[in-house]
Formats: sequence, structure tokens, C-alpha cells
Amino acid sequence: DTGVSQDPRHKITKRGQNVTFRCDPISEHNRLYWYRQTLGQGPEFLTYFQNEAQLEKSRLLSDRFSAERPKGSFSTLEIQRTEQGDSAMYLCASSTWLAEDYEQYFGPGTRLTVT
Amino acid sequence: AQSVSQHNHHVILSEAASLELGCNYSYGGTVNLFWYVQYPGQHLQLLLKYFSGDPLVKGIKGFEAEFIKSKFSFNLRKPSVQWSDTAEYFCASDTGGFKTIFGAGTRLFVKA
Repeated sequence: DTGVSQDPRHKITKRGQNVTFRCDPISEHNRLYWYRQTLGQGPEFLTYFQNEAQLEKSRLLSDRFSAERPKGSFSTLEIQRTEQGDSAMYLCASSTWLAEDYEQYFGPGTRLTVT
Repeated sequence: AQSVSQHNHHVILSEAASLELGCNYSYGGTVNLFWYVQYPGQHLQLLLKYFSGDPLVKGIKGFEAEFIKSKFSFNLRKPSVQWSDTAEYFCASDTGGFKTIFGAGTRLFVKA
């Protein structure tokens, strides 16, 4: 399967712990996006990368959240000092980009439960 | 601020019924519009997209959507639904290719 992959698929952690998620995009895609989705809502944009550069961060992404894409390939999303409100599905997507045509391909997500 | 509203959170239809899911976006400038679908247990995937040109867009699996600029709408339609169309449908927009804003989603259940 050459789609977007995410690891782990599920993570249960205690409040106050740090967690890190990984996303492997489709290999030829230079754009990578992170979203958060809570129950009953659509995905909320968190941040995106073009190659290794992080070009936009949502104000939803507090200073406890950090994302990296060090070599322009895979990306990690770290949440420090997790809170119960961080419980959500974290989605990664990737795309190529042409101003007039693009499509984001989504991964299966990482479901985070903070107890 | 850019936003997307979906009119119905839950829709129940019988097979062969026609479907129309409402979507309105708020941005007054140039927007790109999308419908995504998430089948049970599967990833989000693109149904169709509008960037420019013909405002009637055809997508996969017999779905289509019409962009009506004057109404800020991008409603999704299908003339005859099947049980396999049971899924959650998300309307989304962006203004330049990165910050995509999604609606809250509509859960469609099709009775066999």
C-alpha cells in the first residue's frame, strides 16, 4: 500500500505525559498537513509543511504542540504535557500542489485517549 | 473568518431515493471547494472538487455538486442512492491550497 500511513493507530496516555505521532506521506508529495478531529466535528487544520518548511500553524496548535518534517519526508507531531482535551483523532494528509488542482490524501489517523 | 456550514447532521434515506446535502461557505473571495467521504472504517477520501470553470462538478460513484457563487453554496447531489453510500460526508473549502476548512459533516444512512 503506497498511501499515507500513520503510527501508532491508537495511543492511550495519562494526563501530563508526552506523546509523539508519526506520519509517512505518499513519497512524491511535497505538502503534508496535520488535522485534529473530535467527535461530531470535521477535521480542524493544525499545521502544514511544504517540503521541510512549516509554513502555517493554526492558533489551535498551542505551545504544547510541535510538528517537524526534518527531511521533507515523514513528519512527527508531538504533544507535551497532554491534557484530557487533547483526546481526539489526529489525521495526516499529503498532496502535491498545483495552484489550479490538488487533492489531499488522508491517512487512517491516530486516535489519542488521555486518561 | 472562513467557515463551512453543513445543513444536516444526519440524513436517513431509502435506497433509490435522491440525495442532496447542503453546504455553505463564508469566504467572499476565490475559493476551492471539496466534498470528502468517509466510509465506515475507512480513510477520508475525495469525492469531487471545484477550482474553476463549469460550476457543475462530477465526481466518483455518481455524485455531483453545483457551485452557486451568489448563494455561497456547493451542494452535493446523487439521483439514486445505494446502501453502499452509507457514510459520513464532509464539505470543505480553502483559499489557496493549504488551510482547508471542513464542515461538521453529515452522516448518511441508506436503508436497504
